[in-house]
Amino acid sequence: DQQVKQNSPSLSVQEGRISILNCDYTNSMFDYFLWYKKYPAEGPTFLISISSIKDKNEDGRFTVFLNKSAKHLSLHIVPSQPGDSAVYFCAASGSARQLTFGSGTQLTVLP
Amino acid sequence: NAGVTQTPKFRVLKTGQSMTLLCAQDMNHEYMYWYRQDPGMGLRLIHYSVGEGTTAKGEVPDGYNVSRLKKQNFLLGLESAAPSQTSVYFCASSRLGGSMGGELFFGEGSRLTVL
Repeated sequence: DQQVKQNSPSLSVQEGRISILNCDYTNSMFDYFLWYKKYPAEGPTFLISISSIKDKNEDGRFTVFLNKSAKHLSLHIVPSQPGDSAVYFCAASGSARQLTFGSGTQLTVLP
Repeated sequence: NAGVTQTPKFRVLKTGQSMTLLCAQDMNHEYMYWYRQDPGMGLRLIHYSVGEGTTAKGEVPDGYNVSRLKKQNFLLGLESAAPSQTSVYFCASSRLGGSMGGELFFGEGSRLTVL
C-alpha cells in the first residue's frame, strides 16, 4: 500500500516550456513534503520542500504547490532546461521521522 | 568535502553469502538511513538510526541488520544474501529528522547483485 504515489512514470517536455510533476499521498499525518532529483549513477539530491502550513514554495525556476484537501502536491519547473532531465522523487514525512518516497517520474526535456 | 560515502560501489554475491555495506558521513549528522531502490518501487527505507548506538526498523527490514557504533558510520549487513536483495542501496544522513524538515544527503549508491 503505497502512501506516496507518482502515477506518471515518465514525462517529456520541450525546452523552455513548463514541466509539471504530480504526487499524491494518502496519509493525512504527513506534514512535510520534499522533492528530490536523481541523475543516473548518482544519489538523489534535495530540490525543494514545503511544510503543510503553506500551500506554495518557490525557489528560482522551481515551485512546489500543496493542496492538503486533495492530498496532492505538484512541482512546476519553468522554463524547463535539458539539464533538468532526471528522475524526480516526491517524499513525505510525519511524526515517525521517516521519509516515504514515491516511485519517481523520469523527466526528459527535449532541446 | 566528501559528504556521504558508500563502500563498496559494486558487489556480486552468491546466494547465502554475507556482506557488509559501509556508510560514512562527515557532516556530524545525527540521523542516518539505509534505503533500497528497485524499478517501479522508488526508495524504500530498510533501517535507520537517530543517533550513535541506536537503530530502528524501516519499511523493509527483513534479511538485513545494521549497526551505528560511531556517529559517522552506519553499517548495513546481509547475513545470508538472497536474489530478492539484488538492488541499489543508498545511504543517507540528515541533521534533523524527516518530520522536522530534515533534508537528506545521499551517497552515490551501492549496486548489489545476488546470483
